[in-house]
Amino acid sequence: QKEVEQDPGPLSVPEGAIVSLNCTYSNSAFQYFMWYRQYSRKGPELLMYTYSSGNKEDGRFTAQVDKSSKYISLFIRDSQPSDSATYLCAMTGGYQKVTFGTGTKLQVIP
Amino acid sequence: SAVISQKPSRDICQRGTSLTIQCQVDSQVTMMFWYRQQPGQSLTLIATANQGSEATYESGFVIDKFPISRPNLTFSTLTVSNMSPEDSSIYLCSVVGGRTGELFFGEGSRLTVL
Repeated sequence: QKEVEQDPGPLSVPEGAIVSLNCTYSNSAFQYFMWYRQYSRKGPELLMYTYSSGNKEDGRFTAQVDKSSKYISLFIRDSQPSDSATYLCAMTGGYQKVTFGTGTKLQVIP
Repeated sequence: SAVISQKPSRDICQRGTSLTIQCQVDSQVTMMFWYRQQPGQSLTLIATANQGSEATYESGFVIDKFPISRPNLTFSTLTVSNMSPEDSSIYLCSVVGGRTGELFFGEGSRLTVL
């Protein structure tokens, strides 16, 4: 069993839709959770960073962490074609190795 | 956030040759990390490079295959030695930001080995 599981997609949605991206994990030591966006032929770009359980909102993006269920989510409201990318979840227990999901490829259709 | 520059951005190499990837950061950092991203797979940590000491390699990666240099606090190189087609991948340099565990990445170096 992988430490971090992420549905690879691809996920295709119409412009304006709400997108839900999810990851599950097995290591209860994880406390810091990140979402990265990676456009084709580019490096990963940090999108959201959260500590422990709870919600964090930044513009159209909301990150949720449920440590009791070992489940994290990224919601994208009013999705745009420019949101088309691969989204990677990542997590760590602190100054330790960061573990990544395999990424979910999202396509927002105009 | 840190600005990270990598060279080359891409290259096509012949089997058996070696290639060195450079990573330059716009600020001094203690630790630099080298990741590999194979098609359809998650990022895998190759090694952690600390200035003034030997790099620390993850399981499955060895110094003879992936020698790393870290001559100062803003620069590192990763060499992929004696390449085979299985080494075709994106290689990424990263550093930790101001908060614990928050990683910033370079644009990556896409290697294709024929």
